Amino acid sequence: SAVISQKPSRDICQRGTSLTIQCQVDSQVTMMFWYRQQPGQSLTLIATANQGSEATYESGFVIDKFPISRPNLTFSTLTVSNMSPEDSSIYLCSVPPRQNNNEQFFGPGTRLTVL
Amino acid sequence: AQSVSQHNHHVILSEAASLELGCNYSYGGTVNLFWYVQYPGQHLQLLLKYFSGDPLVKGIKGFEAEFIKSKFSFNLRKPSVQWSDTAEYFCAAMIYNQGGKLIFGQGTELSVKP
Repeated sequence: SAVISQKPSRDICQRGTSLTIQCQVDSQVTMMFWYRQQPGQSLTLIATANQGSEATYESGFVIDKFPISRPNLTFSTLTVSNMSPEDSSIYLCSVPPRQNNNEQFFGPGTRLTVL
Repeated sequence: AQSVSQHNHHVILSEAASLELGCNYSYGGTVNLFWYVQYPGQHLQLLLKYFSGDPLVKGIKGFEAEFIKSKFSFNLRKPSVQWSDTAEYFCAAMIYNQGGKLIFGQGTELSVKP
């Protein structure tokens, strides 16, 4: 299994500001995924980040609002831009294991509260 | 569009009761199916998974799930729940050849009374 860490673990931010969330994996992976879990709801995929190419966004999510970087095979960032209270969520990154592309492991999540 | 549905939003059981959580997916092709658990304040953990083969899969902590292709279902079961099973349970599907992304159900909150 992969060991995934995220920074920050939680943050409280003001409306209109931006927050960058970091995701670090202990092994090289081609794909990384970013999910959002809004309060009391399930997880929704925001985008898929492949190293060396632009991220692929799901319906309802755009690059201007959630820019993603993927500078190498062990690291990715997700920025939540121009935040509003509706962005208050847990943001999780996940990766498939190195040898098996049909399973995902999740990071601990970043709990974001926007005032 | 592909989707995953969990029938129960909140289930309340007494200890030692049997558990069955429903999960249905909508997709006619090959899928991989998962159940994840999220204990209060903790991150997601994989309970069990189905890729192929025996449709009855066993996971951790005494959980099992049965894949019934004709019903597009993947229900989670446990013969006797414990107070420590109190958590949120998520069913998820991975559509074959869609890059590994997961489609999650709405989640079922399980509360077990001691």
